[in-house]
Amino acid sequence: DAGVIQSPRHEVTEMGQEVTLRCKPISGHDYLFWYRQTMMRGLELLIYFNNNVPIDDSGMPEDRFSAKMPNASFSTLKIQPSEPRDSAVYFCASSPYRGLGGELFFGEGSRLTVL
Amino acid sequence: AQKITQTQPGMFVQEKEAVTLDCTYDTSDQSYGLFWYKQPSSGEMIFLIYQGSYDEQNATEGRYSLNFQKARKSANLVISASQLGDSAMYFCAMREISSGSARQLTFGSGTQLTVLP
Repeated sequence: DAGVIQSPRHEVTEMGQEVTLRCKPISGHDYLFWYRQTMMRGLELLIYFNNNVPIDDSGMPEDRFSAKMPNASFSTLKIQPSEPRDSAVYFCASSPYRGLGGELFFGEGSRLTVL
Repeated sequence: AQKITQTQPGMFVQEKEAVTLDCTYDTSDQSYGLFWYKQPSSGEMIFLIYQGSYDEQNATEGRYSLNFQKARKSANLVISASQLGDSAMYFCAMREISSGSARQLTFGSGTQLTVLP
């Protein structure tokens, strides 16, 4: 079975440009998560969806960040305009519902560098 | 307050020996789940093991076991017979069911394990 698929794997852009990261979760998983990983802040949850509906976006840094999940097989995380401090690895993960359990399955991440 | 604390930024272990990676957690929930992930230098996040707060037995998965001490709020990962391929960053994480964000995992800062030949 295919895992979580993220694109692009690497993105280098200039400050002020729009960045769109894409994610295809594992089929049948009810939950989709966007995390950001930096050396300073570690792994932080940005937003998560349940059945395509955003449930908690309290981790989204500011209005420059937006995320959508138009259907069960696709999600995007958009940064507009991008800033150098947005440089990080962005992970998408999906999870089935299994009560207390149900581990997150992570994609390989999108490494973003904003110059 | 930190929800997940991993006090060992770096650890070294000799190949074939066992190693314990520490994790303490902070929650007032009665229902919670604890997870360990491995992140090799290639960057992917690999799930290793899960322990539920109501599980009476310590979880085991192959060479991985979780030393769960509920009263002390600790969930240490034990890797037996270390291999060179175990060199990676290891993250402890928690899911709290009664919090508003019931499905997310909160991660610790990680422990970088290096296995020496």
